Amino acid sequence: GDSVTQMEGPVTLSEEAFLTINCTYTATGYPSLFWYVQYPGEGLQLLLKATKADDKGSNKGFEATYRKETTSFHLEKGSVQVSDSAVYFCALSDRIQGAQKLVFGQGTRLTINP
Amino acid sequence: DAGVTQSPTHLIKTRGQHVTLRCSPISGHKSVSWYQQVLGQGPQFIFQYYEKEERGRGNFPDRFSARQFPNYSSELNVNALLLGDSALYLCASSLDGGYNQPQHFGDGTRLSIL
Repeated sequence: GDSVTQMEGPVTLSEEAFLTINCTYTATGYPSLFWYVQYPGEGLQLLLKATKADDKGSNKGFEATYRKETTSFHLEKGSVQVSDSAVYFCALSDRIQGAQKLVFGQGTRLTINP
Repeated sequence: DAGVTQSPTHLIKTRGQHVTLRCSPISGHKSVSWYQQVLGQGPQFIFQYYEKEERGRGNFPDRFSARQFPNYSSELNVNALLLGDSALYLCASSLDGGYNQPQHFGDGTRLSIL
């Protein structure tokens, strides 16, 4: 079945550093791709999405480009802030029995130090 | 507008009991999905409902069941609770569960089994 692999964490950076969190996927078709963020004690918030190859999703300074040739959707931000500390999940949209399900990676914990 | 709301926020049960979790989708959303998130992992798909019908089911035993009401809210029921059912249960809504639609998550119900 379809799957998502994220870079292992935790990742610790200093404020204003450049961030990359790697995400690769395996899929039989061309799924939509998503990044979600989870702050402590909360549910998942949609950060950005891309629905087809070469699409770039962006939000709050974060960007990710849907790369079909490398089956990747890496998350980047040019200058991180302490408030970006959270767990980040890469996900793809898959079909199961007529339903849409999200398949998630294992998550990458990000800590930003002042 | 209110986001996805879930209740209760926390619940403690003992093995063998049953539990009911509740979810109200974003206004205008007709599809509700349920996910289980075990500590340190990404969420796993349980089921998706649309217009009160189950559209698809993940790899979970029959002890897990759900229903959707005419107002599109949903209940997740788990019978004969096991220690391994301890997790964060997330509800997500989307307009109609379509393949490319993002799913919007609530803050979850944290279920602890003693």
